[in-house]
Amino acid sequence: AQSVTQPDIHITVSEGASLELRCNYSYGATPYLFWYVQSPGQGLQLLLKYFSGDTLVQGIKGFEAEFKRSQSSFNLRKPSVHWSDAAEYFCAVGAPGGGNKLTFGTGTQLKVEL
Amino acid sequence: GAVVSQHPSRVICKSGTSVKIECRSLDFQATTMFWYRQFPKQSLMLMATSNEGSKATYEQGVEKDKFLINHASLTLSTLTVTSAHPEDSSFYICSARDYGGGGSTDTQYFGPGTRLTVL
Repeated sequence: AQSVTQPDIHITVSEGASLELRCNYSYGATPYLFWYVQSPGQGLQLLLKYFSGDTLVQGIKGFEAEFKRSQSSFNLRKPSVHWSDAAEYFCAVGAPGGGNKLTFGTGTQLKVEL
Repeated sequence: GAVVSQHPSRVICKSGTSVKIECRSLDFQATTMFWYRQFPKQSLMLMATSNEGSKATYEQGVEKDKFLINHASLTLSTLTVTSAHPEDSSFYICSARDYGGGGSTDTQYFGPGTRLTVL
């Protein structure tokens, strides 16, 4: 069965600082990988996704993520954080050919200090 | 990007009544939709997979008679919480699968969620 680990429950960064949110997955083959962001009381917005090909994926709002097969990781990065980036971030893994049913990590709450 | 709507955004009901939540894919057809439940400050828990024209597939531990799912068209799935009780109070989120032939377009897009409060 697939699983996702987001080791950091809370992260606080200063506005303008760089950001890296960690995500590790467990899956028997190359999975589909996603990062979603959720603002309070809202649904999830897709930031970026990886299916195959180039391991560095660009997303919306200046986010990027890198798939590292050897480390089973898909960490999310942003070079300069804005106050509006404060939200909950979820990493998810989907099973190709398995209906792409998603398994979510427990989420990382990002706080941005002005 | 693909847009998914949910209605209502908030609902308050009395214990013992039923509540219906609608999930619509607005600009694409979705043969598969998913229903999730999210408790405060927790991750999403998949409840069921809704397939157009067929019965939903429920995750282990989810009562199918309690949470009725109907996927009558390629753009609409409904979740009905029957005989609701306070413990059913939660944030319910749907997603619609944009399959588009598979590969890089196989992505779930999420609705804004429905906050259910059962008194």
